[in-house]
Amino acid sequence: EPEVTQTPSHQVTQMGQEVILRCVPISNHLYFYWYRQILGQKVEFLVSFYNNEISEKSEIFDDQFSVERPDGSNFTLKIRSTKLEDSAMYFCASVVVSYEQYFGPGTRLTVT
Amino acid sequence: AQSVTQPDIHITVSEGASLELRCNYSYGATPYLFWYVQSPGQGLQLLLKYFSGDTLVQGIKGFEAEFKRSQSSFNLRRPSVHWSDAAEYFCAVAPMFSGGYNKLIFGAGTRLAVHP
Repeated sequence: EPEVTQTPSHQVTQMGQEVILRCVPISNHLYFYWYRQILGQKVEFLVSFYNNEISEKSEIFDDQFSVERPDGSNFTLKIRSTKLEDSAMYFCASVVVSYEQYFGPGTRLTVT
Repeated sequence: AQSVTQPDIHITVSEGASLELRCNYSYGATPYLFWYVQSPGQGLQLLLKYFSGDTLVQGIKGFEAEFKRSQSSFNLRRPSVHWSDAAEYFCAVAPMFSGGYNKLIFGAGTRLAVHP
């Protein structure tokens, strides 16, 4: 069964460093999303992406964040200058029809 | 503002017992409704969804959920819990807009523990 994959599974970085989280959505899916889950809190929407542009973004998704689909298969989330409060699990999701968002296993980002 | 409430943070049941996880939403119209499950270290797996029609929906792994418009609820049920059901369960909604695939709004989750 096709699945969304994410790399790395765990990323440790120092405050102020740039990180890129990578996702490979399911191949025929058209809409892509990033969510995050701070430890012990609910899953929060960050951004949605369709047709090579952002469809919607949340208040969390400020100028420090960017997304890209560089090669037609990967979907990346970049954080330019990480803060301690960016420590969270980041989930990528994709959908083709029927609002059924398929989630990846997540990347745990730890900012020290 | 749209919101999803899962009033139970933790639930513990015995294996074989029945289970009901509660979910209430606040939205101007009936949204699309979902239940996801997250096992430790895993991503979110879709259990079931409701868009329209029959208000009792069947999902994977023997789960079902009932949509009650009058109560703005979408409770998840399992007639007989198995030890492998121990996980965190999230209720989510998506606004029913036309022409777009919208973000999911999640509840805080209910962590289920199963006693042997």
